[in-house]
Amino acid sequence: GIQVEQSPPDLILQEGANSTLRCNFSDSVNNLQWFHQNPWGQLINLFYIPSGTKQNGRLSATTVATERYSLLYISSSQTTDSGVYFCAVHGGSNNDMRFGAGTRLTVKP
Amino acid sequence: NAGVTQTPKFQVLKTGQSMTLQCAQDMNHEYMSWYRQDPGMGLRLIHYSVGAGITDQGEVPNGYNVSRSTTEDFPLRLLSAAPSQTSVYFCASSYSAGLEAFFGQGTRLTVV
Repeated sequence: GIQVEQSPPDLILQEGANSTLRCNFSDSVNNLQWFHQNPWGQLINLFYIPSGTKQNGRLSATTVATERYSLLYISSSQTTDSGVYFCAVHGGSNNDMRFGAGTRLTVKP
Repeated sequence: NAGVTQTPKFQVLKTGQSMTLQCAQDMNHEYMSWYRQDPGMGLRLIHYSVGAGITDQGEVPNGYNVSRSTTEDFPLRLLSAAPSQTSVYFCASSYSAGLEAFFGQGTRLTVV
């Protein structure tokens, strides 16, 4: 199956800093999603982005499907951005969605 | 709009007990799935369904059963709980396979 690798595994920022999270995948994909898992464990959809660039407030994402990677940008980080960010891909003939191991982000005040 | 609803939120089982984790969605989604999340790991697919009456195995199906008698509901059954099944379980739905997925709030299961 498709392998999904996220980097960095852990990231500590000062409030107001910017960051880039990366997701690499091993094969062609039909879609890609970014999720934020908040400290209460809830998974929140951030972007559904099989290709191209999307922006939502301080967050934006870019997927370059031909080069098999996606980037999540967080600008002017806030303490509420803390949590784990997951990339998940769906590809090929399989009906399953494969998750990366996540990037744990801690934003300090 | 409730979205995806999972019950219970927390459960403690003894080894060998059985139970059913409930999942319901009100978005008329055809595709539903169950994942488990273990510490430090991403989510792994247990079982999925592409529509009522159709289910299939995911990456880690052993020890779990599912059925899909209606579009709305997709219960996950643990037939004989084992400590290795201690995990957080998430149910998800989407309009069809590969489209934007929405997750329930999770069920934290502990098997002692």
